[in-house]
Amino acid sequence: GPKVLQIPSHQIIDMGQMVTLNCDPVSNHLYFYWYKQILGQQMEFLVNFYNGKVMEKSKLFKDQFSVERPDGSYFTLKIQPTALEDSAVYFCASSLDYEQYFGPGTRLTVL
Amino acid sequence: GDSVTQTEGPVTLSEGTSLTVNCSYETKQYPTLFWYVQYPGEGPQLLFKVPKANEKGSNRGFEATYNKEATSFHLQKASVQESDSAVYYCALSDSNAGAKLTFGGGTRLTVRP
Repeated sequence: GPKVLQIPSHQIIDMGQMVTLNCDPVSNHLYFYWYKQILGQQMEFLVNFYNGKVMEKSKLFKDQFSVERPDGSYFTLKIQPTALEDSAVYFCASSLDYEQYFGPGTRLTVL
Repeated sequence: GDSVTQTEGPVTLSEGTSLTVNCSYETKQYPTLFWYVQYPGEGPQLLFKVPKANEKGSNRGFEATYNKEATSFHLQKASVQESDSAVYYCALSDSNAGAKLTFGGGTRLTVRP
């Protein structure tokens, strides 16, 4: 089936530094999403994105977070600066309508 | 806001036995309901969806009926296999393209041979 790729699979970073998580969505998809899952907890929605704009963001999508998809390439989540509570697995998803396809996740560890 | 509550795990079963994972939800909208399955090292993948009340979804022997009156969407399988070992998530969204998913907490299923 359609594949969503995420790069890197693991990232370890010092608190206060910037990190960019990359997502390669399914090629003809129109909608893009980021979700956050802290170990042992629920998968939670962060943000969705369509036609170059954020559609909706949750309370978890702090001011330090931003998303973009420059020139139809990777869909990125940038966190600047990072905080300890940002440690989690971040899942990217994409969809043509409402059936979302997920990547394998990026495990982010903030020290 | 929306919420989804499902059977807390972990659940351990022997091959050939039946599975029920309870899912209930709260929402003010008319949702589409989903079951997702997640294997180790992968993201969630769609098992099936049901957009309409009182209809049933099914895939690979799993099924669930969208019960609007009871606001429930329980996952069932008559006879589980070892390969069904995974984490199962109930989720909902509104019925618009690009809408976010609200997930339940997930239920880890282990099937012993």
